[in-house]
Amino acid sequence: AQSVTQPDIHITVSEGASLELRCNYSYGATPYLFWYVQSPGQGLQLLLKYFSGDTLVQGIKGFEAEFKRSQSSFNLRKPSVHWSDAAEYFCAVGTYKYIFGTGTRLKVLA
Amino acid sequence: DAGVTQSPTHLIKTRGQQVTLRCSPKSGHDTVSWYQQALGQGPQFIFQYYEEEERQRGNFPDRFSGHQFPNYSSELNVNALLLGDSALYLCASSLRRLGGETQYFGPGTRLLVL
Repeated sequence: AQSVTQPDIHITVSEGASLELRCNYSYGATPYLFWYVQSPGQGLQLLLKYFSGDTLVQGIKGFEAEFKRSQSSFNLRKPSVHWSDAAEYFCAVGTYKYIFGTGTRLKVLA
Repeated sequence: DAGVTQSPTHLIKTRGQQVTLRCSPKSGHDTVSWYQQALGQGPQFIFQYYEEEERQRGNFPDRFSGHQFPNYSSELNVNALLLGDSALYLCASSLRRLGGETQYFGPGTRLLVL
């Protein structure tokens, strides 16, 4: 069955610290992978996507993600977190139909 | 460049009623997908419209139906509302003829069923 797992429901980091959000997927074919961010009461904003090629992809707001086929993972990273990064982050897989994880809520301490 | 817009932003209905939500896709996009996001959950795919036809459907009952108009805008209709239909309904648009893989989301319509 196709699925996305985000193991961490909540993560708290201090401002300026590094961040890694985990995402594991189960998908029959070569996946298209995405990370979206959702601020309270808002829709989803695309951070980055992976279709093929270089397994390290760069996104907006200083985020990057690495596709590891052997681990079925697509973890999101940021070297230095800003207070404005506090939000909920969703990993998704799919083509015309997306399957989302349950999200990771990020809290940033000043 | 106008992004995806949805209306209304909030809606309150009672059980058994019917509701219609509206979506205008990002300029130049031809495909609209609808998702339901329950509180504390990730979005779940309802269906997708392209060329005014439903092309893909998720695991939702027939109470959920939709429509796409010639200008690519779309409606989501839900009949016989249940308490469990309370959620944020997200519309996403994409350009299918270029692969359509990347979906851009609107701000959502928050539906509360009492």
